[in-house]
Amino acid sequence: AQTVTQSQPEMSVQEAETVTLSCTYDTSESDYYLFWYKQPPSRQMILVIRQEAYKQQNATENRFSVNFQKAAKSFSLKISDSQLGDAAMYFCAFIGVSNTDKLIFGTGTRLQVFP
Amino acid sequence: DTGVSQDPRHKITKRGQNVTFRCDPISEHNRLYWYRQTLGQGPEFLTYFQNEAQLEKSRLLSDRFSAERPKGSFSTLEIQRTEQGDSAMYLCASSLARGSSGNTIYFGEGSWLTVV
Repeated sequence: AQTVTQSQPEMSVQEAETVTLSCTYDTSESDYYLFWYKQPPSRQMILVIRQEAYKQQNATENRFSVNFQKAAKSFSLKISDSQLGDAAMYFCAFIGVSNTDKLIFGTGTRLQVFP
Repeated sequence: DTGVSQDPRHKITKRGQNVTFRCDPISEHNRLYWYRQTLGQGPEFLTYFQNEAQLEKSRLLSDRFSAERPKGSFSTLEIQRTEQGDSAMYLCASSLARGSSGNTIYFGEGSWLTVV
Protein backbone atom coordinates (compact mmCIF):
# COMPACT_ATOMS: atom_id res chain seq x y z
CA ALA A 1 0.00 0.00 0.00
CA GLN A 2 1.13 3.52 -0.71
CA THR A 3 1.54 5.95 2.17
CA VAL A 4 2.47 9.62 2.39
CA THR A 5 3.91 11.06 5.58
CA GLN A 6 4.22 14.71 6.54
CA SER A 7 6.00 14.89 9.85
CA GLN A 8 5.58 18.62 10.45
CA PRO A 9 2.04 19.47 11.60
CA GLU A 10 2.88 23.17 11.71
CA MET A 11 5.61 25.42 10.39
CA SER A 12 6.13 29.15 10.51
CA VAL A 13 8.22 31.56 8.48
CA GLN A 14 8.82 35.26 8.38
CA GLU A 15 7.77 37.19 5.32
CA ALA A 16 10.48 37.20 2.60
CA GLU A 17 12.29 34.25 4.19
CA THR A 18 12.56 30.68 2.93
CA VAL A 19 10.84 27.64 4.40
CA THR A 20 11.01 23.93 3.56
CA LEU A 21 8.15 21.50 4.12
CA SER A 22 8.99 17.80 4.39
CA CYS A 23 7.29 14.81 2.84
CA THR A 24 8.20 11.15 2.59
CA TYR A 25 6.31 8.41 0.84
CA ASP A 26 6.34 4.68 0.48
CA THR A 27 5.43 2.75 -2.63
CA SER A 28 6.40 -0.29 -4.62
CA GLU A 29 5.49 1.38 -7.89
CA SER A 30 8.25 2.45 -10.22
CA ASP A 31 6.24 5.04 -12.15
CA TYR A 32 4.35 7.73 -10.26
CA TYR A 33 3.74 11.43 -9.78
CA LEU A 34 4.13 13.57 -6.69
CA PHE A 35 2.27 16.78 -5.94
CA TRP A 36 2.09 19.58 -3.46
CA TYR A 37 -1.34 21.11 -2.97
CA LYS A 38 -2.19 24.26 -1.05
CA GLN A 39 -5.46 24.64 0.82
CA PRO A 40 -6.04 28.20 2.09
CA PRO A 41 -8.75 29.00 4.62
CA SER A 42 -11.27 29.31 1.75
CA ARG A 43 -10.71 25.54 1.47
CA GLN A 44 -10.23 25.03 -2.28
CA MET A 45 -7.33 22.70 -2.94
CA ILE A 46 -4.94 24.36 -5.36
CA LEU A 47 -2.12 22.60 -7.19
CA VAL A 48 1.24 24.17 -6.35
CA ILE A 49 3.73 21.94 -8.13
CA ARG A 50 4.10 18.43 -9.51
CA GLN A 51 7.02 16.09 -10.14
CA GLU A 52 7.23 13.10 -12.43
CA ALA A 53 9.18 10.29 -10.80
CA TYR A 54 11.04 9.45 -14.01
CA LYS A 55 12.51 12.96 -14.18
CA GLN A 56 15.71 13.58 -12.25
CA GLN A 57 15.40 17.34 -12.52
CA ASN A 58 13.59 18.97 -9.63
CA ALA A 59 10.40 20.82 -10.55
CA THR A 60 10.23 24.59 -10.09
CA GLU A 61 7.29 26.99 -10.26
CA ASN A 62 8.28 30.58 -9.58
CA ARG A 63 8.98 30.78 -5.81
CA PHE A 64 8.16 27.12 -5.27
CA SER A 65 10.63 24.31 -5.84
CA VAL A 66 10.99 20.71 -4.77
CA ASN A 67 13.85 18.53 -3.65
CA PHE A 68 12.99 15.09 -5.02
CA GLN A 69 15.16 12.27 -3.71
CA LYS A 70 13.79 9.12 -5.33
CA ALA A 71 16.03 6.61 -3.57
CA ALA A 72 15.17 8.11 -0.18
CA LYS A 73 11.50 8.50 -1.19
CA SER A 74 11.59 12.10 -0.10
CA PHE A 75 9.80 15.05 -1.70
CA SER A 76 10.21 18.36 0.11
CA LEU A 77 8.78 21.73 -0.90
CA LYS A 78 10.82 24.90 -0.66
CA ILE A 79 9.03 28.24 -0.63
CA SER A 80 11.33 31.19 -1.28
CA ASP A 81 10.57 34.84 -0.53
CA SER A 82 7.53 33.82 1.53
CA GLN A 83 4.46 36.00 1.26
CA LEU A 84 1.49 36.45 3.60
CA GLY A 85 -0.69 34.78 0.97
CA ASP A 86 1.33 31.60 1.28
CA ALA A 87 -0.28 30.90 4.65
CA ALA A 88 -2.32 27.73 4.23
CA MET A 89 -2.39 23.99 4.74
CA TYR A 90 0.02 22.23 2.42
CA PHE A 91 -0.61 18.65 1.42
CA CYS A 92 1.86 16.32 -0.19
CA ALA A 93 0.21 13.75 -2.46
CA PHE A 94 1.17 10.71 -4.50
CA ILE A 95 -0.42 9.02 -7.48
CA GLY A 96 0.81 5.81 -9.01
CA VAL A 97 0.57 5.04 -12.70
CA SER A 98 -1.46 1.93 -12.17
CA ASN A 99 -5.01 0.84 -12.68
CA THR A 100 -6.06 2.61 -9.47
CA ASP A 101 -4.81 6.11 -10.32
CA LYS A 102 -6.01 7.84 -7.18
CA LEU A 103 -4.28 10.52 -5.13
CA ILE A 104 -3.02 9.53 -1.71
CA PHE A 105 -2.58 12.49 0.62
CA GLY A 106 -0.46 13.16 3.66
CA THR A 107 -1.95 14.70 6.79
CA GLY A 108 -0.81 18.19 5.88
CA THR A 109 1.43 20.93 7.25
CA ARG A 110 -0.07 24.21 8.41
CA LEU A 111 2.16 27.08 7.32
CA GLN A 112 1.97 30.40 9.11
CA VAL A 113 3.64 33.46 7.63
CA PHE A 114 4.52 36.33 9.96
CA PRO A 115 5.05 39.90 8.75
CA ASP B 1 -12.66 26.47 -18.57
CA THR B 2 -14.69 27.17 -15.46
CA GLY B 3 -13.00 24.61 -13.22
CA VAL B 4 -14.66 21.96 -11.08
CA SER B 5 -17.89 23.20 -9.56
CA GLN B 6 -19.81 21.70 -6.66
CA ASP B 7 -23.30 22.31 -5.34
CA PRO B 8 -24.42 23.00 -2.69
CA ARG B 9 -21.42 24.54 -0.98
CA HIS B 10 -22.95 24.05 2.45
CA LYS B 11 -25.65 21.72 3.70
CA ILE B 12 -27.04 21.32 7.20
CA THR B 13 -29.29 18.33 7.67
CA LYS B 14 -30.90 16.41 10.46
CA ARG B 15 -29.66 12.96 11.30
CA GLY B 16 -31.50 10.35 9.29
CA GLN B 17 -32.20 12.57 6.29
CA ASN B 18 -30.83 11.96 2.81
CA VAL B 19 -28.55 14.46 1.09
CA THR B 20 -27.24 14.72 -2.45
CA PHE B 21 -24.23 16.62 -3.75
CA ARG B 22 -23.57 17.46 -7.37
CA CYS B 23 -20.24 17.89 -9.12
CA ASP B 24 -19.56 19.30 -12.58
CA PRO B 25 -16.00 18.48 -13.68
CA ILE B 26 -13.79 20.39 -16.07
CA SER B 27 -15.46 19.82 -19.42
CA GLU B 28 -12.89 17.69 -21.22
CA HIS B 29 -11.95 15.60 -18.18
CA ASN B 30 -13.01 11.98 -18.32
CA ARG B 31 -12.07 11.08 -14.75
CA LEU B 32 -14.04 12.25 -11.75
CA TYR B 33 -13.16 11.63 -8.12
CA TRP B 34 -14.92 12.04 -4.78
CA TYR B 35 -12.95 12.61 -1.59
CA ARG B 36 -13.96 13.27 2.01
CA GLN B 37 -12.05 15.60 4.29
CA THR B 38 -12.54 16.14 8.02
CA LEU B 39 -11.01 19.00 9.99
CA GLY B 40 -7.27 18.71 10.40
CA GLN B 41 -6.95 15.75 8.04
CA GLY B 42 -5.97 15.22 4.46
CA PRO B 43 -8.61 14.21 1.94
CA GLU B 44 -9.54 10.54 1.87
CA PHE B 45 -10.44 8.82 -1.37
CA LEU B 46 -14.05 7.63 -1.70
CA THR B 47 -14.61 6.65 -5.32
CA TYR B 48 -13.79 7.53 -8.90
CA PHE B 49 -15.27 7.28 -12.38
CA GLN B 50 -13.81 7.05 -15.81
CA ASN B 51 -16.50 8.37 -18.09
CA GLU B 52 -19.70 6.77 -16.72
CA ALA B 53 -18.03 3.69 -15.24
CA GLN B 54 -17.37 3.62 -11.50
CA LEU B 55 -13.93 1.99 -11.36
CA GLU B 56 -13.12 1.92 -7.67
CA LYS B 57 -14.86 2.38 -4.34
CA SER B 58 -13.12 2.81 -1.01
CA ARG B 59 -14.03 0.75 2.04
CA LEU B 60 -14.97 4.14 3.52
CA LEU B 61 -17.94 4.20 1.17
CA SER B 62 -20.59 2.39 3.19
CA ASP B 63 -23.84 1.09 1.75
CA ARG B 64 -25.47 4.40 2.66
CA PHE B 65 -23.29 6.18 0.10
CA SER B 66 -23.92 5.98 -3.61
CA ALA B 67 -22.32 7.86 -6.47
CA GLU B 68 -23.37 8.09 -10.07
CA ARG B 69 -22.12 9.65 -13.26
CA PRO B 70 -24.90 8.74 -15.66
CA LYS B 71 -23.69 10.33 -18.88
CA GLY B 72 -20.03 10.64 -18.12
CA SER B 73 -20.34 14.34 -17.36
CA PHE B 74 -21.65 15.54 -13.97
CA SER B 75 -21.75 13.28 -10.93
CA THR B 76 -23.90 13.01 -7.83
CA LEU B 77 -22.99 11.69 -4.40
CA GLU B 78 -25.94 10.67 -2.25
CA ILE B 79 -25.79 9.88 1.43
CA GLN B 80 -28.82 8.09 2.83
CA ARG B 81 -29.86 8.08 6.50
CA THR B 82 -27.14 10.55 7.43
CA GLU B 83 -25.24 10.12 10.69
CA GLN B 84 -23.29 12.69 12.67
CA GLY B 85 -20.08 10.96 11.62
CA ASP B 86 -20.86 11.90 8.03
CA SER B 87 -20.17 15.56 8.84
CA ALA B 88 -17.24 16.52 6.64
CA MET B 89 -16.32 18.33 3.47
CA TYR B 90 -16.93 16.33 0.32
CA LEU B 91 -14.49 17.21 -2.40
CA CYS B 92 -14.94 16.51 -6.07
CA ALA B 93 -12.02 16.47 -8.47
CA SER B 94 -11.41 15.71 -12.11
CA SER B 95 -8.58 14.85 -14.45
CA LEU B 96 -7.67 13.48 -17.84
CA ALA B 97 -6.78 9.82 -17.87
CA ARG B 98 -3.14 9.91 -18.84
CA GLY B 99 -2.48 12.41 -21.60
CA SER B 100 -0.21 15.41 -21.48
CA SER B 101 -1.41 16.56 -18.08
CA GLY B 102 -0.22 13.28 -16.62
CA ASN B 103 -2.75 12.50 -13.93
CA THR B 104 -2.90 16.03 -12.52
CA ILE B 105 -6.10 16.24 -10.53
CA TYR B 106 -8.03 19.50 -10.11
CA PHE B 107 -10.34 20.06 -7.17
CA GLY B 108 -13.59 21.89 -6.64
CA GLU B 109 -14.31 24.10 -3.66
CA GLY B 110 -16.01 21.30 -1.78
CA SER B 111 -19.42 20.76 -0.22
CA TRP B 112 -19.61 21.11 3.54
CA LEU B 113 -22.01 18.74 5.25
CA THR B 114 -23.11 19.23 8.84
CA VAL B 115 -25.38 16.59 10.35
CA VAL B 116 -27.19 17.73 13.49
